[in-house]
Amino acid sequence: GQNIDQPTEMTATEGAIVQINCTYQTSGFNGLFWYQQHAGEAPTFLSYNVLDGLEEKGRFSSFLSRSKGYSYLLLKELQMKDSASYLCAVSLWGSQGNLIFGKGTKLSVKP
Amino acid sequence: DTAVSQTPKYLVTQMGNDKSIKCEQNLGHDTMYWYKQDSKKFLKIMFSYNNKELIINETVPNRFSPKSPDKAHLNLHINSLELGDSAVYFCASSPRDREETQYFGPGTRLLVL
Repeated sequence: GQNIDQPTEMTATEGAIVQINCTYQTSGFNGLFWYQQHAGEAPTFLSYNVLDGLEEKGRFSSFLSRSKGYSYLLLKELQMKDSASYLCAVSLWGSQGNLIFGKGTKLSVKP
Repeated sequence: DTAVSQTPKYLVTQMGNDKSIKCEQNLGHDTMYWYKQDSKKFLKIMFSYNNKELIINETVPNRFSPKSPDKAHLNLHINSLELGDSAVYFCASSPRDREETQYFGPGTRLLVL
């Protein structure tokens, strides 16, 4: 079966750095995604990793280690608007479009 | 102007009824999807569809059926609604060369009484 784990909730302070971890056990792993979802809204795409290493995009970076089945999303210079759920998702070979989502990490940014 | 749109935004109905949710994308994407997000915010794929292939998540009851009149639309029809069908349903689409990068609609909040 497929299994994706991430912490349920995290709290951080405005201006700080926070790292949200995701571990997965899947067969036929292809790539890993991070989506952001504000309360009551649709998920929006943040990042995609298919090779090992760090992908940086502004204040957000995502890291992947395929051998360890591990990824993290790093958010720098936190802002209040970063309060949201962050969803880790994997795609599998042969069904790249069918994303399997984790249960999401609800991040609360406090002043 | 909206890339992926869904109607209705809210749907309240009685058990046993049949209802449809409509989805349209104006991005020219080839593949469309339906997801269900339950009360615990767990997002699960139900269907993916392009003009060649319908892929069904085997856990989806056959009361749910996607219908695609053309490439820009993928509607979700639900027969004999049950209490457990209450959830937010998201439509999404993706381009042919980047199927993994999906654009989500605003969601339809379904409440079955």
